[in-house]
Amino acid sequence: EVQLVESGGGLVKPGGSLRLSCAASGFTFSSYTMNWVRQAPGRGLEWVSSISSSSSYIYDSDSVKGRFTISRDNAKNSLYLQMNSLRAEDTAVYYCARNPPGWVYAAYLDYWGQGTLVTVSS
Amino acid sequence: EIVLTQSPGTLSLSPGERATLSCRASQSVSSSYLAWYQQKPGQAPRLLIYGASSRATGIPDRFSGSGSGTDFTLTISRLEPEDFAVYYCQQYGSSPRTFGQGTRLENK
Repeated sequence: EVQLVESGGGLVKPGGSLRLSCAASGFTFSSYTMNWVRQAPGRGLEWVSSISSSSSYIYDSDSVKGRFTISRDNAKNSLYLQMNSLRAEDTAVYYCARNPPGWVYAAYLDYWGQGTLVTVSS
Repeated sequence: EIVLTQSPGTLSLSPGERATLSCRASQSVSSSYLAWYQQKPGQAPRLLIYGASSRATGIPDRFSGSGSGTDFTLTISRLEPEDFAVYYCQQYGSSPRTFGQGTRLENK
């Protein structure tokens, strides 16, 4: 069974940093492009960042470019999101989500974690 | 970027009725790369449909997707109590992938 479990969310002040993690199990993590998608409270879904299976390709949304860094450790079956220079508008539930097999970049998302809440407030 | 507009914003129906949800794109979605997700309160989104009309694994056949170009539809043939949720469309034919704002399907 595919499982994605996010952690690392919490309350942080504007301008601060936070590192999210996503632990994957139930599939060959090293073969899949992985993503972060966020959802502000009461709002819709927004794609944040993607990383290909071997980290060769990384894509970020314009809203986080230069502030957030996606990475992965295939030996640990883990995905990460380093979030710097956080702003109030970054407040959201952050989901880890998987691309379907064979899709390197933009695709639908076939499995999602339960999410971790990041709150940016003074 | 492609903007997806979903309508209606809220749909009030009763179990057993048919639900028709619309997703309109600001420009043509290439290769019908359009997906639908269901999200219940406090839960992650669940993939229902990809490629505009292909059901994801384990999705009941009362869910169907159709459309091409700029107009797409999600149909739930006979609503079950567990189908009341928020539904999102998403395009992945061009970068960046984008989502619609959602349609809330509520139990009348």
